[in-house]
Amino acid sequence: ETGVTQTPRHLVMGMTNKKSLKCEQHLGHNAMYWYKQSAKKPLELMFVYNFKEQTENNSVPSRFSPECPNSSHLFLHLHTLQPEDSALYLCASSQDELGATNEKLFFGSGTQLSVL
Amino acid sequence: AQSVTQLDSQVPVFEEAPVELRCNYSSSVSVYLFWYVQYPNQGLQLLLKYLSGSTLVKGINGFEAEFNKSQTSFHLRKPSVHISDTAEYFCAVSRIQGAQKLVFGQGTRLTINP
Repeated sequence: ETGVTQTPRHLVMGMTNKKSLKCEQHLGHNAMYWYKQSAKKPLELMFVYNFKEQTENNSVPSRFSPECPNSSHLFLHLHTLQPEDSALYLCASSQDELGATNEKLFFGSGTQLSVL
Repeated sequence: AQSVTQLDSQVPVFEEAPVELRCNYSSSVSVYLFWYVQYPNQGLQLLLKYLSGSTLVKGINGFEAEFNKSQTSFHLRKPSVHISDTAEYFCAVSRIQGAQKLVFGQGTRLTINP
């Protein structure tokens, strides 16, 4: 148990559905991240939030919409996804946005998303 | 920009045998180096990291890695593996100065056979 909880663990959705992924961290961290893990590809950083403010959007399509209401919660709202969006979506947190302190990332177990 | 190459996508070894997982990186600036491990159905966990000092870094579960600046490598080793080491291993780098985001390699799947 890393202190980062993601729900649901598995999600199957059609291309016209709207769904949300949830991430919660109980570590008192200030930075939260969404990563996409596809088969045979490096982990892709999608979004970074630091103190609830989005500090990075890594050219992610607008069908992915993040929300960070407070430092403990992070959501990823999904709509009109494509089959190629099927992947494992990982949430992570760190004390501060990775920087001079070089804090390590704490990852959740991920949501395995399948888009039909 | 930084990039990471993990030369082997899959490495099968027998239990109690030694293993080396290779990682090479490319960067025009100094970097920090990391190895993360992902056990089945779990998120990633930090295995070890190199920030400065001794180039041989020891991590959890008996793993160690050696930073070789001239060869831009950070290979992961374990002298004797166990079935429980079956997992995916990710090498990652981040810049020391400026924007410091982790850049991951593609991962190496380590399979331990009895």
